[in-house]
Amino acid sequence: QQQVKQSPQSLIVQKGGISIINCAYENTAFDYFPWYQQFPGKGPALLIAIRPDVSEKKEGRFTISFNKSAKQFSLHIMDSQPGDSATYFCAASKETSGSRLTFGEGTQLTVNP
Amino acid sequence: GAGVSQSPRYKVAKRGQDVALRCDPISGHVSLFWYQQALGQGPEFLTYFQNEAQLDKSGLPSDRFFAERPEGSVSTLKIQRTQQEDSAVYLCASTLSGGLVSGYTFGSGTRLTVV
Repeated sequence: QQQVKQSPQSLIVQKGGISIINCAYENTAFDYFPWYQQFPGKGPALLIAIRPDVSEKKEGRFTISFNKSAKQFSLHIMDSQPGDSATYFCAASKETSGSRLTFGEGTQLTVNP
Repeated sequence: GAGVSQSPRYKVAKRGQDVALRCDPISGHVSLFWYQQALGQGPEFLTYFQNEAQLDKSGLPSDRFFAERPEGSVSTLKIQRTQQEDSAVYLCASTLSGGLVSGYTFGSGTRLTVV
């Protein structure tokens, strides 16, 4: 059972545009929602994370929007750059010691120059 | 070391062969996780260690998969009698305390191809 659903599967934007990736989760016990960025041949790297007590978190050009009632959260990349071209994964977890991450299927982002 | 190191980077195994994948976590990191990432998919949890204790192995897909971390640092994921469906990237991650506040640090993975 896929507990975290991610869309779109792929996304192409122009340099300077806004990239938006969406995720929906099922398990209401989840209380930690990170986004990871993965380049080819590398492991995922933490980009930004949010907890459900806030509706939005911004770090530089990256913003997470969180809708607890809808069980949805999204990543917005402002002023997208070619260097942002990578695969992005949303994830969810219940934050306890040893908590596993449940990942979405991933979104391959391409930013054209 | 500066990051999580995994070896080998690539492994080609004939179907039925046993393989061993190694993970060197960041020095001092208490918790270690293994994930399996199939092509074009997100990582899926396999198992979790806190120091040398394997506290969760519920994600291991079959009894052909075995993981150990005998001294609480280096970990080995062993796959016996490999099958084609085992082909994937195997990712190791470590965290300082086991909680998620600081996030995981992932290694670059071992790409296993079973032919």
